[in-house]
Amino acid sequence: SQTIHQWPATLVQPVGSPLSLECTVEGTSNPNLYWYRQAAGRGLQLLFYSVGIGQISSEVPQNLSASRPQDRQFILSSKKLLLSDSGFYLCAWSALAGYNEQFFGPGTRLTVL
Amino acid sequence: KNEVEQSPQNLTAQEGEFITINCSYSVGISALHWLQQHPGGGIVSLFMLSSGKKKHGRLIATINIQEKHSSLHITASHPRDSAVYICAGGSQGNLIFGKGTKLSVKP
Repeated sequence: SQTIHQWPATLVQPVGSPLSLECTVEGTSNPNLYWYRQAAGRGLQLLFYSVGIGQISSEVPQNLSASRPQDRQFILSSKKLLLSDSGFYLCAWSALAGYNEQFFGPGTRLTVL
Repeated sequence: KNEVEQSPQNLTAQEGEFITINCSYSVGISALHWLQQHPGGGIVSLFMLSSGKKKHGRLIATINIQEKHSSLHITASHPRDSAVYICAGGSQGNLIFGKGTKLSVKP
C-alpha cells in the first residue's frame, strides 16, 4: 500500500532563517506531488505541484521554492523565512494527472517567530 | 467571492443527529472531493465524486452538477465525527478548496 511521509512534524524558526521540509511517498511510481499551505483561519492553498522529476509548477508567487530531486521525494524550501510563512504545510500525492483523488501527508506545522 | 463556498462554517450537534454540510462552487469542475481534517491536522480523503451519490458507512456524499452543489451527510453522528470537513473542486488537475466546516458532536 502507498504511504506518504512528511518531516518534521513541527518546526519553530526565526525570521530570516532557511527552511527545508521533506515529503516522500512509498508504494507508487511517478506520482503527482503537491505542496499546500493552510494559514490560520484560511483554507488550503496550493503552492506547488510536480508531475515528474525536476518538473515544478508554482501556483502563487511567494518566498518559497520546491524541488523534486527523486521520483518520490518533494522538498519545500526557503532561503529566508518571513513571519507570513507560518502555517500548516501539507504534502499530497495522486496517481495520475487530472482530477484524481489526492492523498495527504500528516503535515508540518511551521511557526516563524 | 470564493470559488468554493461551504456552509455552515461551524456546526454543533448532539450525538445521534443527522448532519448535513453543504458545498457550492462557481467554477467548472470535473470532480468534487470531500476531505476530513482531524484536530492534529491530518487530512483524510472521504469521497471523490463527479455525479450522483456515494456512501461509505455513515457518510453519504451527493453532487448536483447542474446546480453546482454538493452535500455531505452524516447519519447517527458520533463524537468521533468531530473534525473539519473540507470540500474541494477538481479543476485542471488541481484542487480549489473551501474553507471548511468545523463540526463538533457532543455526547
